Amino acid sequence: DQQVKQNSPSLSVQEGRISILNCDYTNSMFDYFLWYKKYPAEGPTFLISISSIKDKNEDGRFTVFLNKSAKHLSLHIVPSQPGDSAVYFCAASGAGYFGNEKLTFGTGTRLTIIP
Amino acid sequence: DAGVIQSPRHEVTEMGQEVTLRCKPISGHDYLFWYRQTMMRGLELLIYFNNNVPIDDSGMPEDRFSAKMPNASFSTLKIQPSEPRDSAVYFCASSLVGYEQYFGPGTRLTVT
Repeated sequence: DQQVKQNSPSLSVQEGRISILNCDYTNSMFDYFLWYKKYPAEGPTFLISISSIKDKNEDGRFTVFLNKSAKHLSLHIVPSQPGDSAVYFCAASGAGYFGNEKLTFGTGTRLTIIP
Repeated sequence: DAGVIQSPRHEVTEMGQEVTLRCKPISGHDYLFWYRQTMMRGLELLIYFNNNVPIDDSGMPEDRFSAKMPNASFSTLKIQPSEPRDSAVYFCASSLVGYEQYFGPGTRLTVT
């Protein structure tokens, strides 16, 4: 039972264009959402997050949008750069007894930026 | 400041053998998490600790898996006996506030 879903296993985008990565969740108790980025042979690194009280959070080239009614969030990268090529994981927390420390991850989307 | 340290980076073992993965969290972090990554299921939380105490082990797949945190600077994940389906990348992560977690480089386990 995947509570956090990333339905696109891969995405290719031209350098300089916008990359949009999508994530859907099913548990309405989630109240904090994060994106992690992972390079080969490394652990995931935290990229950006958003609380459920907001609908947008921006950090430089990265913006995360949250649509609570649709249970959907997206990560926008603009402009895309070759160094952005990585696997991106969506994660959610806040559901149930254990609170915000327990993260549920999606299966990841491999982003390839084409020079 | 050193990040999360995991050892070994690669482990190849035969079915039935005991495997021990090790983790040193970032100093001062109160939470420690063990994850497993596979192509089919992505990143799955196996178990996590707060102040060295196991809080939730509901993700541990079977009794063959066990984890300990004897002190704030060390944790182990043990698989005994190992099976080919345990082949995966195992990550350790630590955090101060829970949700912003810092991951180690992972241990790639291959069970033949």
